[in-house]
Amino acid sequence: DAKTTQPPSMDCAEGRAANLPCNHSTISGNEYVYWYRQIHSQGPQYIIHGLKNNETNEMASLIITEDRKSSTLILPHATLRDTAVYYCIVRVGGQAGTALIFGKGTTLSVSS
Amino acid sequence: ETGVTQSPTHLIKTRGQQVTLRCSSQSGHNTVSWYQQALGQGPQFIFQYYREEENGRGNFPPRFSGLQFPNYSSELNVNALELDDSALYLCASSLGGQGARSTEAFFGQGTRLTVV
Repeated sequence: DAKTTQPPSMDCAEGRAANLPCNHSTISGNEYVYWYRQIHSQGPQYIIHGLKNNETNEMASLIITEDRKSSTLILPHATLRDTAVYYCIVRVGGQAGTALIFGKGTTLSVSS
Repeated sequence: ETGVTQSPTHLIKTRGQQVTLRCSSQSGHNTVSWYQQALGQGPQFIFQYYREEENGRGNFPPRFSGLQFPNYSSELNVNALELDDSALYLCASSLGGQGARSTEAFFGQGTRLTVV
């Protein structure tokens, strides 16, 4: 089962920041938080990942709370092309190798 | 463009038949994972191969089997197809081994399988 909880949907106005929350209260100390997005049945696209420090790349920023029980993905200036399903994933080890266990994700709708 | 290619892109099969899907991993990657995504659902992990050995498996029956080749490309085989096997099948490649949990996995565009 997925180890994360996300709101099913969110709306954002074009040009504004989109802040997507994720709860992962059972995360272990060595498990990473990953974010992917999927646009209309294409393959999931990697966005960003982190362990405990905040991370930023050309696509987004990832803010992880100090207790690591939750995180927020920030798209600083959302565009219509950012409309997608966003998945927050805790990457597991053990019997599933290093698989990505997807939950239901958050459907982000960006409108003009 | 992730460098992960899957073939074919679309496929129609009849219930009871067998199917083989193929995945070429990104250059330098030694791990391939397969996922099944039914309509309206998130991808579900099927299994993972690392250096030609199965390295983890999700909750799928044995009629779902796989193979990884020395060049790290991979196949997914499904026997005795059922209607519920209709889905988008995705593969993802990554660099496995020590520190694997900290490396990105990149997905192909998937194979859309329809079982009639």
